[in-house]
Amino acid sequence: AQRVTQPEKLLSVFKGAPVELKCNYSYSGSPELFWYVQYSRQRLQLLLRHISRESIKGFTADLNKGETSFHLKKPFAQEEDSAMYYCALSEAGGYNKLIFGAGTRLAVHP
Amino acid sequence: GAGVSQSPSNKVTEKGKDVELRCDPISGHTALYWYRQSLGQGLEFLIYFQGNSAPDKSGLPSDRFSAERTGGSVSTLTIQRTQQEDSAVYLCASSLRGSGVTSTDTQYFGPGTRLTVL
Repeated sequence: AQRVTQPEKLLSVFKGAPVELKCNYSYSGSPELFWYVQYSRQRLQLLLRHISRESIKGFTADLNKGETSFHLKKPFAQEEDSAMYYCALSEAGGYNKLIFGAGTRLAVHP
Repeated sequence: GAGVSQSPSNKVTEKGKDVELRCDPISGHTALYWYRQSLGQGLEFLIYFQGNSAPDKSGLPSDRFSAERTGGSVSTLTIQRTQQEDSAVYLCASSLRGSGVTSTDTQYFGPGTRLTVL
């Protein structure tokens, strides 16, 4: 079955601390993996995708097919990073429906 | 340019009533998606429209849910005989191309409609 698991509902850190939001998936095909973010009172928006291999707002995520993981990392958290983060997958190269995890709320304290 | 818009932003209804939720996608986007976000849950796929192809309704939770997309643009999600478990935020998204390409298109989300069934 296709599934995205985000084990932490809430991750609370202090400003300047490293952050890792965990995401594991199960999928029989070849998925594309994404991180979406929703800041307070804003729309859900794409943060990054694994095929782009880029760093957005200091965040990176590496797809580990052996561990079926796509953890989101940032070395030094900022208060403006506080938001709801969703890991998602879709079938690569075709079907575009997204399967989302339950989300992790990141709270960065001063 | 304008993003995805949804109306109403909030809807309160009584159990058993029918509701219609509207989505206006970004102009030129051929694919349109509906998702649902229930309290404490992640986002759940409901239905997907791509151009003139038959929609993928595999995510609709029951036959009380239906959706249509007129003229390849505006979409309406209808919930008949609403139940309390239908209470959720309903999100619409659109993307430029949809299926048949080598990588997944970015989906742009609307602000959502918060449905409360009393």
